[in-house]
Amino acid sequence: SQTIHQWPATLVQPVGSPLSLECTVEGTSNPNLYWYRQAAGRGLQLLFYSVGIGQISSEVPQNLSASRPQDRQFILSSKKLLLSDSGFYLCAWSVPGTLAHASSYEQYFGPGTRLTVT
Amino acid sequence: AQSVTQLGSHVSVSEGALVLLRCNYSSSVPPYLFWYVQYPNQGLQLLLKYTSAATLVKGINGFEAEFKKSETSFHLTKPSAHMSDAAEYFCAVSDESGGYNKLIFGAGTRLAVHP
Repeated sequence: SQTIHQWPATLVQPVGSPLSLECTVEGTSNPNLYWYRQAAGRGLQLLFYSVGIGQISSEVPQNLSASRPQDRQFILSSKKLLLSDSGFYLCAWSVPGTLAHASSYEQYFGPGTRLTVT
Repeated sequence: AQSVTQLGSHVSVSEGALVLLRCNYSSSVPPYLFWYVQYPNQGLQLLLKYTSAATLVKGINGFEAEFKKSETSFHLTKPSAHMSDAAEYFCAVSDESGGYNKLIFGAGTRLAVHP
């Protein structure tokens, strides 16, 4: 079966410090990968998605970047955190490919990372 | 582009009462629709999905949703609320803009269940 991991679970960082959040998926190959952010009291904001190693697309210009160094590893980074980067960060995966079927849209979410920038 | 509107950011019901969470979508093509649940400080978990096989979809934990094309709705219901149903619920619609498969999420509805 497939599993998705995120770490750390919680993180408190000062403004201006760097950030690295990691997401790994087990039990599947070449998944589509996604990074979302939930700010307090707000919905899900898609930040990045990836359809393969080294292939990253950004949905929203911001202070963050993403990388996919391995097939099932997705990293969210920042060189200098802002207060507005605080939130709950979620990683998700979906089956590879662009099949016109519901299964190719269904996303499976990790447990999330709570980031507080002070 | 597709969009999702969830009416009511907060819904409060008594234990044992009917749960109704509303979701309306906008889509230029027949969509796939999903409901996810999020418990505090956790990721999202799939409740159910509409795949065009049947308009009434049953999911986990006693939830179900009905796809109504004429109303562009996919409301989530549960006949009798339980305290453990307190969580945030997200409706999502399939989208292919940008050349890849993704989900467009609604803003979410926080469900409170009181004794």
